[in-house]
Amino acid sequence: DIVMTQSPDSLAVSLGERASINCKSSQTIFYSPKNKNYLAWYQQIPGQPPKLIIYWASTRESGVPDRFSGSGSGTDFTLTISTLRAEDVAVYYCQQYYTTPPTFGGGTKVEIK
Amino acid sequence: EVQLVQSGAEMKKPGESLRISCEGSGYRFTNYWIAWVRQMPEKGLEWMGRIDPSDSYTNYSPSLEGHVTISADKSTSTAYLQWSSLKASDSAMYYCARLQWSGELGVFYGMDVWGQGTTVTVSS
Repeated sequence: DIVMTQSPDSLAVSLGERASINCKSSQTIFYSPKNKNYLAWYQQIPGQPPKLIIYWASTRESGVPDRFSGSGSGTDFTLTISTLRAEDVAVYYCQQYYTTPPTFGGGTKVEIK
Repeated sequence: EVQLVQSGAEMKKPGESLRISCEGSGYRFTNYWIAWVRQMPEKGLEWMGRIDPSDSYTNYSPSLEGHVTISADKSTSTAYLQWSSLKASDSAMYYCARLQWSGELGVFYGMDVWGQGTTVTVSS
């Protein structure tokens, strides 16, 4: 199975500041024939199910605010929240879907400083 | 409204059997695969398996295959996750989720609709 490693485990950011979360895969999840990175990001607000926010590493799901952006390629990826809002407090997970079974990172908890 | 509605919380004893459900509405149920995802207490997400409701074809995570069974009834737009003999380590929150498929790329690429979750507690 592909191992997904996120860092940091948690971070505290002031409202209006930038939050960045890293995700590293144990092998490439870039499929060159299709020029796609097989990576998604999910947001899980406490007490709620996860919500898909990014797929193909950088495509925002419909309705997701543009302060959320995804970047990276190959084995190293980043989720950035450009200006943190109170409603962004959550745990964020990356997930690869390059191979079966799809695997998740351990999660990064984002809090307000 | 597109939604997945799961059955309620369950409390069981080790060795008992259980089936939890996930009913889809607001879309054509047979057009999308359904995945099951486990979240153990205070832990991360684990993909368990998926099913094509149109023909009940399934894929399982190797770590769970043989311990759980995923099924679906397209006549009622419902997917199921079941155990024949529960263990204490099965205590977790279980989510069903709709899988997005890219026909162009031939791959599932995200879970865009999630059920509210079903808490399963297994304790003697």
